[in-house]
Amino acid sequence: AQSVTQLDSHVSVSEGTPVLLRCNYSSSYSPSLFWYVQHPNKGLQLLLKYTSAATLVKGINGFEAEFKKSETSFHLTKPSAHMSDAAEYFCVVSPPYGGATNKLIFGTGTLLAVQP
Amino acid sequence: DGGITQSPKYLFRKEGQNVTLSCEQNLNHDAMYWYRQDPGQGLRLIYYSQIVNDFQKGDIAEGYSVSREKKESFPLTVTSAQKNPTAFYLCASSNDGHTGTQYFGPGTRLLVL
Repeated sequence: AQSVTQLDSHVSVSEGTPVLLRCNYSSSYSPSLFWYVQHPNKGLQLLLKYTSAATLVKGINGFEAEFKKSETSFHLTKPSAHMSDAAEYFCVVSPPYGGATNKLIFGTGTLLAVQP
Repeated sequence: DGGITQSPKYLFRKEGQNVTLSCEQNLNHDAMYWYRQDPGQGLRLIYYSQIVNDFQKGDIAEGYSVSREKKESFPLTVTSAQKNPTAFYLCASSNDGHTGTQYFGPGTRLLVL
């Protein structure tokens, strides 16, 4: 069975400082992993995805994440936070080669606040 | 302009009333999904459809119904049997059988009067 745990429900950073949002996963095989961002009352936007290629994945808006199999982690980072990064972030796991019936497993979300 | 549209943005339901949420996509994706989002619970799958005229129950299908008569449309009906319908509803679509990447619409917020 697969699962995903977002270790922090809330993270607060100052503008211009680094962002670290933590995600651990559990999977009996090499999964696909995603980070989505959701601004208030909006849909989810795909930030980046890991699909068994390069372990360091670059996404939109300066975000990146590193797949670490030994630590079963997929943490999201950004070198310098911007006010527009304030949003909720979801770590998501999916089994590979599962076809369109892939049931995405969502973490409970991390709310990122950016202080001026 | 390609994407997924959901309407309405806000919807109010009276006691005992069925309401239908619209989801349309022009991405030519085969698979479509409905999720419910409650605060602090992430997203939970209600129904999904891999192909026209076929759909399967997700984890929380009770009190909901769907249809898939056209590839681009996947409406969700919240029936009177759903006793706690207040939530944010998200529709998604996918054509990626390898990674399962899903793309989401803007959502509909359902409130009970």
